[in-house]
Amino acid sequence: DTGVSQDPRHKITKRGQNVTFRCDPISEHNRLYWYRQTLGQGPEFLTYFQNEAQLEKSRLLSDRFSAERPKGSFSTLEIQRTEQGDSAMYLCASSFRLDREQYFGPGTRLTVT
Amino acid sequence: SQQGEEDPQALSIQEGENATMNCSYKTSINNLQWYRQNSGRGLVHLILIRSNEREKHSGRLRVTLDTSKKSSSLLITASRAADTASYFCATDALGQLVFGQGTRLTINP
Repeated sequence: DTGVSQDPRHKITKRGQNVTFRCDPISEHNRLYWYRQTLGQGPEFLTYFQNEAQLEKSRLLSDRFSAERPKGSFSTLEIQRTEQGDSAMYLCASSFRLDREQYFGPGTRLTVT
Repeated sequence: SQQGEEDPQALSIQEGENATMNCSYKTSINNLQWYRQNSGRGLVHLILIRSNEREKHSGRLRVTLDTSKKSSSLLITASRAADTASYFCATDALGQLVFGQGTRLTINP
């Protein structure tokens, strides 16, 4: 297994456009997490899934953000009507179970112009 | 919002010296984890210490946890140039990780 992968690695979009990111977790991990990281800050939790169920969402996840994990495998994070403040690194992580270490992907860097 | 606070925010030492980073947090935790991040990349898990543990070692890393003071420290011994990175502590209370702002460590050759 090659670890957590994310696609694309970089995305430049114009304000008002929609973007979608994909995350493929480590295959035997049933928990999947999304975080956002801005320059000079630590990652901030956005949402997490156990299998296909979205169990928790941060208040940071406005109604422009939606995440899915169909069939409990890969996950997508969509941002509608992007704003310049959405520019950040979006990180995905997975873990085997609760209370264990999380394995992070390389991230998707979003730039909104 | 970020729970943890790392201290110092930046640390620059000579290769071979030891580096110590501290982390404070605010609420009860199940475990505390340390991660490393090289510039512009994803995070790499270093070590996990549970709330009922006081000290843990992994190679050149030593982590302590004091739940009464809500603090933890990460010691890297015999530092190498490749240790240059940002180091984050993260608390795990409900499955989600809450990260601090990190310590940027620079190892000078």
